[in-house]
Amino acid sequence: AQSVAQPEDQVNVAEGNPLTVKCTYSVSGNPYLFWYVQYPNRGLQFLLKYITGDNLVKGSYGFEAEFNKSQTSFHLKKPSALVSDSALYFCAVRDGTNTGNQFYFGTGTSLTVIP
Amino acid sequence: DADVTQTPRNRITKTGKRIMLECSQTKGHDRMYWYRQDPGLGLRLIYYSFDVKDINKGEISDGYSVSRQAQAKFSLSLESAIPNQTALYFCATSASGTASYEQYFGPGTRLTVT
Repeated sequence: AQSVAQPEDQVNVAEGNPLTVKCTYSVSGNPYLFWYVQYPNRGLQFLLKYITGDNLVKGSYGFEAEFNKSQTSFHLKKPSALVSDSALYFCAVRDGTNTGNQFYFGTGTSLTVIP
Repeated sequence: DADVTQTPRNRITKTGKRIMLECSQTKGHDRMYWYRQDPGLGLRLIYYSFDVKDINKGEISDGYSVSRQAQAKFSLSLESAIPNQTALYFCATSASGTASYEQYFGPGTRLTVT
């Protein structure tokens, strides 16, 4: 069965420090992996994705994520956090086989960047 | 968000009432989805549709039904609302094929069932 785990409900980081939001996944075929961000009273916005190729994926707003197949992880990172990065972050996975039609989301990690 | 719109944005209804949530998109995508978001549970898939004639149940379809009236419109109905259907509901779209897989979300509908 497909699933996504975000082990941290809350992450706090000081402005200017690097941030990491963790995600691990379980999928039967090759994984298609995604990160989304949700600001208050808004829908989810796409940040980045891994489909194939380079394990380090760069996305919007200076975010990047590293795909690690052996650890089944896809952690979101940013070298220097901004207060405006404070939001709810969701990791999602889709089975990359022809039958993989559904996206599975993690429970979300609330990121707070402290000025 | 403007490419995917949802109406209403907020709704309070009573137990037992029928309610419809509507979603429209101008992205030209063929795939559409309905999710609900609950605190601590993330997003859970209710139904999805890959074209007008294709409707599929998701993880939590009980108590819900959908209608794909056109490629651009996908409605979610609660035939007899109950309090545990109080949640934030999102519509999403995605394109088929290998060009892209990411989903685009509407702004959400906050539904309260009293």
